[in-house]
Amino acid sequence: DAGITQSPRHKVTETGTPVTLRCHQTENHRYMYWYRQDPGHGLRLIHYSYGVKDTDKGEVSDGYSVSRSKTEDFLLTLESATSSQTSVYFCAISPRDQGTDTQYFGPGTRLTVL
Amino acid sequence: AQKITQTQPGMFVQEKEAVTLDCTYDTSDQSYGLFWYKQPSSGEMIFLIYQGSYDEQNATEGRYSLNFQKARKSANLVISASQLGDSAMYFCAMREGRSAGNNRKLIWGLGTSLAVNP
Repeated sequence: DAGITQSPRHKVTETGTPVTLRCHQTENHRYMYWYRQDPGHGLRLIHYSYGVKDTDKGEVSDGYSVSRSKTEDFLLTLESATSSQTSVYFCAISPRDQGTDTQYFGPGTRLTVL
Repeated sequence: AQKITQTQPGMFVQEKEAVTLDCTYDTSDQSYGLFWYKQPSSGEMIFLIYQGSYDEQNATEGRYSLNFQKARKSANLVISASQLGDSAMYFCAMREGRSAGNNRKLIWGLGTSLAVNP
């Protein structure tokens, strides 16, 4: 158990509203990731973080922002949600001491934008 | 071009038989890592097995083994003695380059759906 929680687990919102998803880890891992999973596209990286206040964009970052003010929390914000952002969102961590970059995932958040 | 290719969208296997899920990859790096993950219908992503490009032996974890053929750039997952609980989506992923710096990203395939028949 990598000690990763995501909240909320399910959310329904309306187009144009802001949404924030939270990823929380209990083991002080440095690397954290946000993915979205859609049928036919597999897992796509949105943003990742390699430390407090250190973040970088992934392949599908448009329309998303992230923040990491504490090691344990990595927040994903949709400033103005659109229907194309309906997806399952996964957070992942990568322990720095393994030397393999294995990623361990949270349970996911199912977001529906109406 | 896709860097991770999983050519089998769906596979069927009889319970207790072995099954091989295909994964081919494309990289010009000499150092890289290959991963397999399982995603059951409940939705969680579960890490199964890892193979480093310099590992001389194929990785094994219980009933899972990785058939690593470097020259062919393939990293097939072999599940022995299939169980009903093995029914899931299986994803292959790759880390390009050495595990160093801040660029610790994985490249993902689109997955293979495995159904185990009783």
